[in-house]
Amino acid sequence: EIVMTQSPATLSVSPGERATLSCRASQSVSSNLAWYQQKPGQAPRLLIYGASTRATGISARFSGSGSGTEFTLTISSLQSEDFAVYFCQQYDNWPPYTFGQGTKLEI
Amino acid sequence: QVQLVESGGDVVQPGRSLRLSCAASGFIFTNYAMHWGRQAPGKGLEWLALISYDGSDKYYADSVKGRFTISRDNSKNTLYLQMNSLRAEDTAVYSCARDSGGLDYFDYWGQGALVTVSS
Repeated sequence: EIVMTQSPATLSVSPGERATLSCRASQSVSSNLAWYQQKPGQAPRLLIYGASTRATGISARFSGSGSGTEFTLTISSLQSEDFAVYFCQQYDNWPPYTFGQGTKLEI
Repeated sequence: QVQLVESGGDVVQPGRSLRLSCAASGFIFTNYAMHWGRQAPGKGLEWLALISYDGSDKYYADSVKGRFTISRDNSKNTLYLQMNSLRAEDTAVYSCARDSGGLDYFDYWGQGALVTVSS
């Protein structure tokens, strides 16, 4: 099973600033990585797939990068609606599909 | 628009069974594989099961293999999760999700149904 590790667990950033979230895989997942955003009481929302491709309707403020074992989600110029929990997920080697434990982005 | 609505969540005693449903709308259900996942209180996401578009192939996480069964009724646009021999550690919000089409990432999720296993 591929273990996904996200850092930091909590990231405090001010509105208008840039946030950089990290995700590491225990073995290479190539570019088979997705990022999701989840707000309290809401369903997860797909942000990025293929490590760097934005999903339909996702703001260009969200960008993904990386391949192999190291990945980054960058959110430029944070807005109030961006404060949420972010998860990464590998789909290179399944079952099981595996997720990171999440990074909480707070003001 | 794509909608996935779970139902059937409840409080159940350890060892009992429960069936969750996921009603799908806004897309051609028979064209997509579907997943179940869960999120325990204060924890991250855990994938549980995958069923192919026609129900012929099923895959499970080790944590639920032999206890949970995923199924679908394409005539009703509904996905199911039969959960047997429930344990306290199965307490979580259970969500269905649509596969993107390549058996990879999940492009839409439901809001989830809370299952609490407690005596």
